Amino acid sequence: EDKVVQSPLSLVVHEGDTVTLNCSYEVTNFRSLLWYKQEKKAPTFLFMLTSSGIEKKSGRLSSILDKKELFSILNITATQTGDSAVYLCAVVGVGETSGSRLTFGEGTQLTVNP
Amino acid sequence: GAVVSQHPSWVICKSGTSVKIECRSLDFQATTMFWYRQFPKQSLMLMATSNEGSKATYEQGVEKDKFLINHASLTLSTLTVTSAHPEDSSFYICSAVYRVRDQPQHFGDGTRLSIL
Repeated sequence: EDKVVQSPLSLVVHEGDTVTLNCSYEVTNFRSLLWYKQEKKAPTFLFMLTSSGIEKKSGRLSSILDKKELFSILNITATQTGDSAVYLCAVVGVGETSGSRLTFGEGTQLTVNP
Repeated sequence: GAVVSQHPSWVICKSGTSVKIECRSLDFQATTMFWYRQFPKQSLMLMATSNEGSKATYEQGVEKDKFLINHASLTLSTLTVTSAHPEDSSFYICSAVYRVRDQPQHFGDGTRLSIL
């Protein structure tokens, strides 16, 4: 069974701090790892990672994948109150009978205080 | 970017009612759509995978007759919760993707279902 574990589950920081969110996984026939941000509604897409060691960057957010050690990190620098959300890590694997599927971690609840 | 529209965003209805939720991909053709359920403070749980023109594949423990899924076109999938009961109250989210293996899923805004 595919498994995605995120840590920490909850994090409270002050504006301006830098945070690192962790995601480790076990999946059959790994295809890609995705990061999403979920506020009050459905998740919004942040990054899709398929290759090891190549950093993806978007503004203050960046992410990298290590396929040997089976983990990814999401960094947020100079955090703002608007970064407060649940950050979800998900992995796409291809099962023999189930086809391609997305397995989510529990998420990290990030709270940025002013 | 890819846009997925989900409707309605909130439904409140009596026990025993059937409720239909629509999921549309607005600017791309979705060969595959997924339906998830999310309980408060928990992550998304996949209910079923729907490929256009074929029967949905349900996850273990999800009742096919309870949660009817139709994916009749490349831009529309529907989830019907039949004879809904209070335990079916939840946040239902759909996602759509053109090519599952190498493109990210894009999510609708979700439907909050409350059964009285």
